[in-house]
Amino acid sequence: DVKVTQSSRYLVKRTGEKVFLECVQDMDHENMFWYRQDPGLGLRLIYFSYDVKMKEKGDIPEGYSVSREKKERFSLILESASTNQTSMYLCASSSLSGGYQPQHFGDGTRLSIL
Amino acid sequence: KNEVEQSPQNLTAQEGEFITINCSYSVGISALHWLQQHPGGGIVSLFMLSSGKKKHGRLIATINIQEKHSSLHITASHPRDSAVYICAADLNRDDKIIFGKGTRLHILP
Repeated sequence: DVKVTQSSRYLVKRTGEKVFLECVQDMDHENMFWYRQDPGLGLRLIYFSYDVKMKEKGDIPEGYSVSREKKERFSLILESASTNQTSMYLCASSSLSGGYQPQHFGDGTRLSIL
Repeated sequence: KNEVEQSPQNLTAQEGEFITINCSYSVGISALHWLQQHPGGGIVSLFMLSSGKKKHGRLIATINIQEKHSSLHITASHPRDSAVYICAADLNRDDKIIFGKGTRLHILP
């Protein structure tokens, strides 16, 4: 079974802090994604990566950056956290092989910015 | 207008009832996903469809490409089916997925 592991289930940070959310997958997937989920807005794509050191902006990249130094790890960085970044953050991965593949999700990180 | 619309937003039903959740989309897709999100956040992929119908246990997913519509059905619903069900459209480009806002299902014992 694919496992996507997010480093924290709950995280509380202060405004202005630099925040790192880590995601690791164990199935050698090429694609990795970061989403945020807010009530009434559903899941929205922040950034995705289809290879090591490659990244693409999603629908709401402002205020975020990402890092993919190794294939299995995709980090989401809040350079200077703000209260409007309080949200549930979900990481996902998928394979490029064999046509279209479903995304596998982590359990999520509920981030609160005070 | 959202490119992926789900209905209903919220659904409460009694145990044993047949459940239908609908998803309409307005974009060209390569596949459509149904996801289940349990309380606490974990998301599980239930189905990926590009045509026809798929069945897994008490869950059935159908898609009509011409009408750009998909349905998720749950037969003999059970309280453990209580979750948020999310429809997601896999676009014909860029590996991007557009998510519906989810349907919150609550099955009463």
